[in-house]
Amino acid sequence: NAGVTQTPKFQVLKTGQSMTLQCAQDMNHEYMSWYRQDPGMGLRLIHYSVGAGITDQGEVPNGYNVSRSTTEDFPLRLLSAAPSQTSVYFCASSYSGRIYEQYFGPGTRLTVT
Amino acid sequence: GDSVTQMEGPVTLSEEAFLTINCTYTATGYPSLFWYVQYPGEGLQLLLKATKADDKGSNKGFEATYRKETTSFHLEKGSVQVSDSAVYFCALSGAAGGTSYGKLTFGQGTILTVHP
Repeated sequence: NAGVTQTPKFQVLKTGQSMTLQCAQDMNHEYMSWYRQDPGMGLRLIHYSVGAGITDQGEVPNGYNVSRSTTEDFPLRLLSAAPSQTSVYFCASSYSGRIYEQYFGPGTRLTVT
Repeated sequence: GDSVTQMEGPVTLSEEAFLTINCTYTATGYPSLFWYVQYPGEGLQLLLKATKADDKGSNKGFEATYRKETTSFHLEKGSVQVSDSAVYFCALSGAAGGTSYGKLTFGQGTILTVHP
């Protein structure tokens, strides 16, 4: 099993550009989520999904969109990048009954200039 | 809302020293508590958990006890190794029926560096 994979690993964007961060898992997990990690602030939940076709907002959803058309994939879209979105982004997945035991991807380091 | 507060870091220790990383939380009801670890260049991994008061979670020599009376979940290890150098996150998942049930709330993380 590859676990949770994320692409790209690094990305530099200019203000106003859009892009999609990819996330995929091969563990048949129902629950998937996106976090951003900023220095001194821990991880903050952006969006999450409890299954294909179902998504919901987390703590910091503004400026981001998600969709979940399959169990395996959960892409995160930045609609119009801003410097405040410079961060490290982590995708995670778990079984619905064990949401605390989330498996994290290696992260995407995004810089917006 | 729910929140988690960790001791400020970074923490620097010599190999075989005793480790304590403090964690306190604010939540309604009886949340579940966790410690996650992030090794350099990697995503987070679940280290240990406790789901009810007075439970002790343990893994890889690390321990933490769920103290409802002090709303704490301090991480301890009796003898750290260089390989324990990482960032440690305390987290909680809200009690069933609450708005934060099924979601993880993280502390800010504590950087641990262990020197030989």
